[in-house]
Formats: sequence, C-alpha cells, structure tokens
Amino acid sequence: GQNIDQPTEMTATEGAIVQINCTYQTSGFNGLFWYQQHAGEAPTFLSYNVLDGLEEKGRFSSFLSRSKGYSYLLLKELQMKDSASYLCAVKRWGKLQFGAGTQVVVTP
Amino acid sequence: DTGVSQDPRHKITKRGQNVTFRCDPISEHNRLYWYRQTLGQGPEFLTYFQNEAQLEKSRLLSDRFSAERPKGSFSTLEIQRTEQGDSAMYLCASTLQIAGFHEQFFGPGTRLTVL
Repeated sequence: GQNIDQPTEMTATEGAIVQINCTYQTSGFNGLFWYQQHAGEAPTFLSYNVLDGLEEKGRFSSFLSRSKGYSYLLLKELQMKDSASYLCAVKRWGKLQFGAGTQVVVTP
Repeated sequence: DTGVSQDPRHKITKRGQNVTFRCDPISEHNRLYWYRQTLGQGPEFLTYFQNEAQLEKSRLLSDRFSAERPKGSFSTLEIQRTEQGDSAMYLCASTLQIAGFHEQFFGPGTRLTVL
C-alpha cells in the first residue's frame, strides 16, 4: 500500500530474534504503527513511534528514523504464537496507510 | 475482544445484490474508520467519520459504496449492486481523537463473498 515496503515473509526458530524492516515515503508523516494480525482475525496494536528512537515493550521493540523513512519491529525470544502477519502502518492526514504485511513463521 | 463489534461476521451474496454491514465502536470513541482487506494485503482505507460527519472517502470507493454514522455512534457500510471484486474482509476501527497518540481498535471484520 502506497509506498510502504516490508518483506513478504520471514522464518525464524523458536527462541530466536527477528527484525522486520519497513520503509515509507516521508511526506505527511505523523506517526508509525505496528500491528499484529493472526490469520482470519483483526489487527491488534503492538507499538507506536512518532519520534526517532527505540520504543521497548516487553519482547517487542520498535525503532523509527524519520529522516530515513525507516522503521523496524524487533521480536525477541520468539514463541510459536508469534506466527502471524505484522503490519507496518503510517499515519498521514488523519488516517492509517498500511503495508502489505510481513508473514512471520516461527518453527520449532 | 477490542470492544469494537461488527455484524454480520460473514456474508455470502450473489452478484448484483445489495449488502449492508454494521459496526459498533467503543462507546466514547469519536472517530470511526472503514477498511477493506484482501488476502495477502494490508487493510486499505475506505472512509472515516468524526462523530456523525464523514470527513473523507477514498478515491477507491465507487459510488456503489455508501457509509453513514447517523448519531455519531454505530456506522453502516452499504454496497449496492455487488460485484465479485467486492469480495474481501471489511474492517471497522475506532479511536478517541485527542492530541497526541491515538491507537485504532479494530473489530473482527465482516467477510464478504460475492458469487
């Protein structure tokens, strides 16, 4: 969606770390969200960044560089239940624009 | 459960029929959004309301689509003369629009299949 780029799929083993990158066009930027979506379910909020730097929340961390139009979501100590799609979303002019999502597959 | 509900959860219809979906947001939330999501894609913005006022409609939303939020609480999305290309998950989200951070809470979605 609208020049928000993230990898299609990533695979990692249980207990490992995975980093999902997201790049976006910077015009109108007013915040970046990460959502998790399990198959057949609604997206659920994970993190929000509006200033540069790292936001840590338990096993999940999110980083933002506004000048580079770049963010990443870091998932640590992966668990099987973390297998899901991870959506990067940029807030512009009052609404969210989503990337296509990164499918993370966690293997035993 | 985020507190946002949608009805129905699934709808199967024949091409050319009209369908209407309902969304009940979290009660104190003043903004309500509609998105459409197809397999392998992220949610795509359709329209949003601030209280009862519809503030923006996506260019992707043809004139067969109409949305209302008559009392600033629940919202309906109607699709007239459905086409097979309308088959998708229709998601509703709500938020409390105040200064600063405001997370959007999503409902479970209505999955539409047009035969």
